[in-house]
Amino acid sequence: GENVEQHPSTLSVQEGDSAVIKCTYSDSASNYFPWYKQELGKRPQLIIDIRSNVGEKKDQRIAVTLNKTAKHFSLHITETQPEDSAVYFCAASIHNTDKLIFGTGTRLQVFP
Amino acid sequence: DSGVTQTPKHLITATGQRVTLRCSPRSGDLSVYWYQQSLDQGLQFLIQYYNGEERAKGNILERFSAQQFPDLHSELNLSSLELGDSALYFCASSGGGELFFGEGSRLTVL
Repeated sequence: GENVEQHPSTLSVQEGDSAVIKCTYSDSASNYFPWYKQELGKRPQLIIDIRSNVGEKKDQRIAVTLNKTAKHFSLHITETQPEDSAVYFCAASIHNTDKLIFGTGTRLQVFP
Repeated sequence: DSGVTQTPKHLITATGQRVTLRCSPRSGDLSVYWYQQSLDQGLQFLIQYYNGEERAKGNILERFSAQQFPDLHSELNLSSLELGDSALYFCASSGGGELFFGEGSRLTVL
């Protein structure tokens, strides 16, 4: 069935270091890949997204890369700050629809 | 503020009971999604409605049902509640593309 795998489940980095979170998806028809950030007790919020016709997208300190052949996409956060600490979810659209299947989440902790 | 409104914010009830969660989507959004998030877990897709019609179904239990009304608000009905149904239930809406999540309804079943 439709599946999105996300790794690692937890990630601890020192402030200023980079963080990378990786996801793989199963549906070759997926064409939309958003990343959501969820702070403790709050709703998930979109931080960046990428569509299948693009291989990389960057927005200040965050970037996403997509490898359609390998069905793999990654989130890169550079110069991490304590306020980046949160749970990050990747997602993939299913069957070229707007239904999203989410990964299991990565808890990122950035230590000062 | 995402523009998606969910009520109630918190709900405590007993096993065997039935509850209704309500969601008002962002103005103009036709799609409404329901997700379940258990403690320290991911976002499990339950169901999607588009302009009043069921569009997609996920891992939604038979004890759960949902609908979207002509004014586009949606309700998620949870019946014969079990302890394991305790979770944060999110509603999200979309006009195509980004999902905008509400603040969630935290359900505690005792």
